[in-house]
Amino acid sequence: GDSVTQMEGPVTLSEEAFLTINCTYTATGYPSLFWYVQYPGEGLQLLLKATKADDKGSNKGFEATYRKETTSFHLEKGSVQVSDSAVYFCALRGDYKLSFGAGTTVTVRA
Amino acid sequence: DADVTQTPRNRITKTGKRIMLECSQTKGHDRMYWYRQDPGLGLRLIYYSFDVKDINKGEISDGYSVSRQAQAKFSLSLESAIPNQTALYFCATSDSTSGSGRTDTQYFGPGTRLTVL
Repeated sequence: GDSVTQMEGPVTLSEEAFLTINCTYTATGYPSLFWYVQYPGEGLQLLLKATKADDKGSNKGFEATYRKETTSFHLEKGSVQVSDSAVYFCALRGDYKLSFGAGTTVTVRA
Repeated sequence: DADVTQTPRNRITKTGKRIMLECSQTKGHDRMYWYRQDPGLGLRLIYYSFDVKDINKGEISDGYSVSRQAQAKFSLSLESAIPNQTALYFCATSDSTSGSGRTDTQYFGPGTRLTVL
């Protein structure tokens, strides 16, 4: 079945540091891939998505590229801010549902 | 106002009690979903509904039931709550006209934190 594996946290960074969160997937067919972000006390918000191989999703300075050959969708941001502190979830959209990774907690210190 | 609302936001109950969690949306979406979030496990799908007359079990439906009262409302019930149902529950919606079944984006409510003692 479909599954998503993302790097374990927690991750602690200083402001302006480079952030990367690894995500790999297993799926049948051609899934869409998503990154969701969950700020403290809130629900999940869509951060970015990619629907086919080699697509790059981007939003708020975050980027991820759909790599079919390595079955990966790594999230990157070049310069993080304290406001980026949150839990980040990689997700795969199969036929009817989203399959989520376990989530990576990111804390950015001033 | 939020597009996807959930009530209650927090609930503490006792083992054996019947609990209903409610979800309403103003996005006009036809598809609705219930997930639970547990630490270290991400989110797992409980039930989903692609329209008012369509209800489907997800990967962890045992111990839960749902009702789609209208396009905008989707309720989750725990008939007899047990402690391992303590979790954060999320409702989500998506629009089938926005893309194929594999590309439509799901939008999440703020969550209900349920504690079963």
